[in-house]
Amino acid sequence: DVKVTQSSRYLVKRTGEKVFLECVQDMDHENMFWYRQDPGLGLRLIYFSYDVKMKEKGDIPEGYSVSREKKERFSLILESASTNQTSMYLCASSLYPRDHDNEQFFGPGTRLTVL
Amino acid sequence: GQNIDQPTEMTATEGAIVQINCTYQTSGFNGLFWYQQHAGEAPTFLSYNVLDGLEEKGRFSSFLSRSKGYSYLLLKELQMKDSASYLCAVRWERNDMRFGAGTRLTVKP
Repeated sequence: DVKVTQSSRYLVKRTGEKVFLECVQDMDHENMFWYRQDPGLGLRLIYFSYDVKMKEKGDIPEGYSVSREKKERFSLILESASTNQTSMYLCASSLYPRDHDNEQFFGPGTRLTVL
Repeated sequence: GQNIDQPTEMTATEGAIVQINCTYQTSGFNGLFWYQQHAGEAPTFLSYNVLDGLEEKGRFSSFLSRSKGYSYLLLKELQMKDSASYLCAVRWERNDMRFGAGTRLTVKP
């Protein structure tokens, strides 16, 4: 079974702090994704990566950065946390080939609260 | 844009059939997925369509019309445990994926 793990289930940080959210997958997937999920807005793509050291902006990259130094690990960084970044953060991974039913496998999520 | 639209909420009765619709912009389309998400849990994969037509998987079926930018998820013989949010997601040519806001389904006895 594919396993996607996230470093924390719950996190509380203060405004202005630098926050690291870590995601690790164990199935050698090329693609990795970071989403945030808010009531009424659904899952919104922040960044994704299709290879080591490669990254692509999603719909809401402002205030975030990412790092993919190893294939299995994709980190989301909040350079200076703000209260509007309070949300559920979900990491996902999938195989790269585009013409297959390569569904995304999700981690359990990190509920981040910024005070 | 890559707007994906689906109804916000639906209610159905145990044992009945419900159809959840999803529309999307067709440019760059490269596959459509349906996910189920129970409250407080991560989404889990239900179905995948890339060609026109109906894909059946047990009590769940998913339909796609690429020319119309339209899909639906059909749930038969509804059970209480089917109460969840159902997310329509579209994969684009860049291999990124976008999700609709989700349809919260409530199954009543």
